[in-house]
Amino acid sequence: DTGVSQDPRHKITKRGQNVTFRCDPISEHNRLYWYRQTLGQGPEFLTYFQNEAQLEKSRLLSDRFSAERPKGSFSTLEIQRTEQGDSAMYLCASSNSGTGRLGYEQYFGPGTRLTVT
Amino acid sequence: DQQVKQNSPSLSVQEGRISILNCDYTNSMFDYFLWYKKYPAEGPTFLISISSIKDKNEDGRFTVFLNKSAKHLSLHIVPSQPGDSAVYFCAARDSGGSNYKLTFGKGTLLTVNP
Repeated sequence: DTGVSQDPRHKITKRGQNVTFRCDPISEHNRLYWYRQTLGQGPEFLTYFQNEAQLEKSRLLSDRFSAERPKGSFSTLEIQRTEQGDSAMYLCASSNSGTGRLGYEQYFGPGTRLTVT
Repeated sequence: DQQVKQNSPSLSVQEGRISILNCDYTNSMFDYFLWYKKYPAEGPTFLISISSIKDKNEDGRFTVFLNKSAKHLSLHIVPSQPGDSAVYFCAARDSGGSNYKLTFGKGTLLTVNP
């Protein structure tokens, strides 16, 4: 069990540029989540996948944000035309709803810290 | 509106003593609660959880208590160790909305002094 991994760990970009983050969940986990955390706040839900299907998106996820999970494995989160307000820690989590499991416990990766200058 | 509230931004305790972290919630549809610990530059780590049908769950030094009538839960750490120093987040699952989204509080910074 290698845990949830995220790449890159840090990203500095100029306003208006596009950025893409990657998340690799725990291998047997069928659910994948993206959260955003800003200073002094807890993680805030952005979106959720069950296998390859994106089942829910928060209103925080503007049309500049898009997430994919092709083949139900890794996921990418893209932010187009970045703004300074996008600066935050972007966290990925996964969980397993296999037999006998509720799947409510989510396991987080180390996050990608985005700084928009 | 903050549906999960951790009203103490910080808590300081002596090594070996009990740490009690508190969490209040407003949404009656929350039916599952979790505590996470977060070190700087790392993602949150799952600690312990409790279903709304229970009032206590224990795992080693960690115990979570749930008072549904008061919409309050607490995490007890006994005995506290310096390695427990971290930010602790309370989170909850809404049975009435998304089945899997978690709503987090703002966290409490616990410092355990040697």
